[in-house]
Amino acid sequence: GAVVSQHPSWVICKSGTSVKIECRSLDFQATTMFWYRQFPKQSLMLMATSNEGSKATYEQGVEKDKFLINHASLTLSTLTVTSAHPEDSSFYICSARDLGGLGPNEQFFGPGTRLTVL
Amino acid sequence: TQLLEQSPQFLSIQEGENLTVYCNSSSVFSSLQWYRQEPGEGPVLLVTVVTGGEVKKLKRLTFQFGDARKDSSLHITAAQPGDTGLYLCRGNYGQNFVFGPGTRLSVLP
Repeated sequence: GAVVSQHPSWVICKSGTSVKIECRSLDFQATTMFWYRQFPKQSLMLMATSNEGSKATYEQGVEKDKFLINHASLTLSTLTVTSAHPEDSSFYICSARDLGGLGPNEQFFGPGTRLTVL
Repeated sequence: TQLLEQSPQFLSIQEGENLTVYCNSSSVFSSLQWYRQEPGEGPVLLVTVVTGGEVKKLKRLTFQFGDARKDSSLHITAAQPGDTGLYLCRGNYGQNFVFGPGTRLSVLP
């Protein structure tokens, strides 16, 4: 099946610093990637939809200037958490839609990145 | 806004038991996916159902899409500890989608 990777898998940073998370589709091209946030024992919360070559579409309540998304190529999207604070600590997961895939609207998820802000 | 409900929210059973997890909505979906997520990992796609009344089997897992495409069920036969995880359903409508809150399953040896 389609493989999506994320890097780093975990990161610890000090409050006020910025953290960049990468999401790559390894064996397919993804015009659209999605970024989610997940709190412990809860479902996925969609943060934004990342479109290759254009601006990301953010969900209501998600700060655009706080969570910068760049989708520079068909296989790479990045999420930068700017001026991170402890409340930004969470599990961040990306997914990619394989337009060449067989199923409708199927998304393949990365393994997630655990961010801890001290 | 489309909403998906899942039940039960939590389920703890003994190895070998059968179980059914439900995904319900008042809205019609063009398709629906089921995912399983283990702690510290991303969700893994289990199945996509598209046609109302469709039944798909994946080893000990049986998935059904309701006739009206508003609900779905996941039945696990003879559950094993390896089935432990968070089961998420996702309903699709057009290019949009919505995730259910998940069912957390724990299978005890």
